Amino acid sequence: GENVEQHPSTLSVQEGDSAVIKCTYSDSASNYFPWYKQELGKRPQLIIDIRSNVGEKKDQRIAVTLNKTAKHFSLHITETQPEDSAVYFCAASNRGSQGNLIFGKGTKLSVKP
Amino acid sequence: GAGVSQTPSNKVTEKGKYVELRCDPISGHTALYWYRQSLGQGPEFLIYFQGTGAADDSGLPNDRFFAVRPEGSVSTLKIQRTERGDSAVYLCASSPPVGRNYRGELFFGEGSRLTVL
Repeated sequence: GENVEQHPSTLSVQEGDSAVIKCTYSDSASNYFPWYKQELGKRPQLIIDIRSNVGEKKDQRIAVTLNKTAKHFSLHITETQPEDSAVYFCAASNRGSQGNLIFGKGTKLSVKP
Repeated sequence: GAGVSQTPSNKVTEKGKYVELRCDPISGHTALYWYRQSLGQGPEFLIYFQGTGAADDSGLPNDRFFAVRPEGSVSTLKIQRTERGDSAVYLCASSPPVGRNYRGELFFGEGSRLTVL
């Protein structure tokens, strides 16, 4: 089955700096890669996703890149703000946007003012 | 409310007891998912329903875990003979039918925190 590895497990940056979180996946059939943000005690919420037919997607300060050959994808947050502090999870699925997502273990991002 | 609703929000039980966790998905969402999240870990897939049937139950850890969705809406996750290792937050999520406007997002509930003493 699919296995998703995520690193780093913790990341601390100064406000205004960029943050990068990386994930690798094992199943070459995976074709849908979302990123979720989970604030302490809250539910995970989708922040951006990418499908295997594109290599990069951007939404304001957030971007995701996908390298299908290497089976890895990354989340980039620019101009970080304290409210970006949370745990971020990558995930992968081989059933498009339906079916079970396999999540990474998460990255705790701390943005220091 | 318009979101995914899970009850109870907190459940404390003794080892060996039976537990039921309920999920009320967003109206009109055909797919429903159960995940388990332990402290410091990512959500772990348990089971996925499409309508009334379990489309994929490969994540259920053993036969003590069972889930139903008899009318294609509300779902109940049932855990028999609970063990301390079952302690976790049980997350439910739902998603609408695949269509032109569907982004692919899973809408999560706030979770049910289960503590087995």
